[in-house]
Amino acid sequence: EVQLVETGGGLIQPGGSLRLSCAASGFTVSSNYMSWVRQAPGKGLEWVSVIYSGGSTYYADSVKGRFTISRDNSKNTLYLQMNSLRAEDTAVYYCARYFGPAANPHWFDPWGQGTLVTVSS
Amino acid sequence: DIQMTQSPSSLSASVGDRVTITCQASQDISNYLNWYQQKPGKAPKLLIYDASNLETGVPSRFSGSGSGTDFTFTISSLQPEDIATYYCQHYGTFGPGTKVDIK
Repeated sequence: EVQLVETGGGLIQPGGSLRLSCAASGFTVSSNYMSWVRQAPGKGLEWVSVIYSGGSTYYADSVKGRFTISRDNSKNTLYLQMNSLRAEDTAVYYCARYFGPAANPHWFDPWGQGTLVTVSS
Repeated sequence: DIQMTQSPSSLSASVGDRVTITCQASQDISNYLNWYQQKPGKAPKLLIYDASNLETGVPSRFSGSGSGTDFTFTISSLQPEDIATYYCQHYGTFGPGTKVDIK
């Protein structure tokens, strides 16, 4: 079964750092495009970052320079390092496989259950 | 950047009703449009990919159509378990969502 499980969320003060983890099973993280999507309380979905199978990384403007996406192939795990956190980063963070035709992945499936990050003093 | 709009933002319908949601892109996106269902407190779930392809295991009462800039998502006979917010998505851009509940 293809599955993603996120961990690492919690309450953090503004300006602090947090690392989210996303453990995958049923498929190989390094062979796929992997992404983070977040959802602020009561709001819609916002794409945050993607890492391609080749290692290229891309970020939403709202997190560029503060967040870093990475993976550990030996652990089949995706990460999101979040620095200089702001109140507006408060959200449920989902990891998802960015999937589709090999030459053009463009949908998110599956999704993890999400982990809540609250940035507050 | 391509913008995605959805309408309506919410709707209320009776069990058995046909429900239609529209999604519009700010420019031609061919058929690169996907639909997700998000139930309260849960992660989104892919229902339709490439505008009209039903994901494996998704009930056939769900369908999608369209190409270019205008897309439609339909529930042919609304069921109580379909209460959710539905999002369209094109690459890294999601629509604002349509909340569906039972009248």
